[in-house]
Amino acid sequence: QSALTQPASVSGSPGQSITISCTGTSSDVGGYNLVSWYQQHPGKAPKLMIYEDKKRPSGVSNRFSGSKSGNTASLTISGLQAEDEADYYCCSYAGSSLVFGGGTELTVL
Amino acid sequence: EVQLVESGGGLVQPGGSLRLSCAASGFTFSSNWMHWVRQGPGKGLVWVSRINNDGSSTSYADSVKGRFTISRDNAKNTLYLQMNSLTAEDTAVYYCAIYNSGSSEYWGQGTLVTVSS
Repeated sequence: QSALTQPASVSGSPGQSITISCTGTSSDVGGYNLVSWYQQHPGKAPKLMIYEDKKRPSGVSNRFSGSKSGNTASLTISGLQAEDEADYYCCSYAGSSLVFGGGTELTVL
Repeated sequence: EVQLVESGGGLVQPGGSLRLSCAASGFTFSSNWMHWVRQGPGKGLVWVSRINNDGSSTSYADSVKGRFTISRDNAKNTLYLQMNSLTAEDTAVYYCAIYNSGSSEYWGQGTLVTVSS
């Protein structure tokens, strides 16, 4: 149950696109189409942004997209906005358990 | 409207026990798997445990296995987490959430557990 690997921080200017990577193994990320991504603002509960690798829940902006190649999943945010500044976590099904990434702090410059 | 409200957090001494509750409303609780996720102060999300819809199947993170027990009362629409032999490393905000194919669209607001002497 080792944590998935995410960059500690990323940054971008308004209007730009950024991508956050999430690397696991064939026992989690690469083994199932069950990677999800969460956005968390300070003091708030996580918000689901992407599920099943690339699906968006109702109400989530289409500026958010998910993809996966092998054991690495990615979250891309296009048209960056100030409100996107938050922590982002990936999460993968891993058999009978779930495993989260360490989190990535997104700064909008 | 889906609501998940955690309670039972607080200050407990090392080696002590605590039981968290999560009151659910706005959806058919007995049809949904549930889980607990925690977040230490200034740290990331960590999965703790999950339970299937009728309570017959449970799973735990290695870090809590043998110390924590997840359970549910579908008649009361309530999820529980019994935590024993607590250590400082268990200090965290504990969230309950609906578990659906490895992801969670609905979360509670969290309850803080502090383990300290």
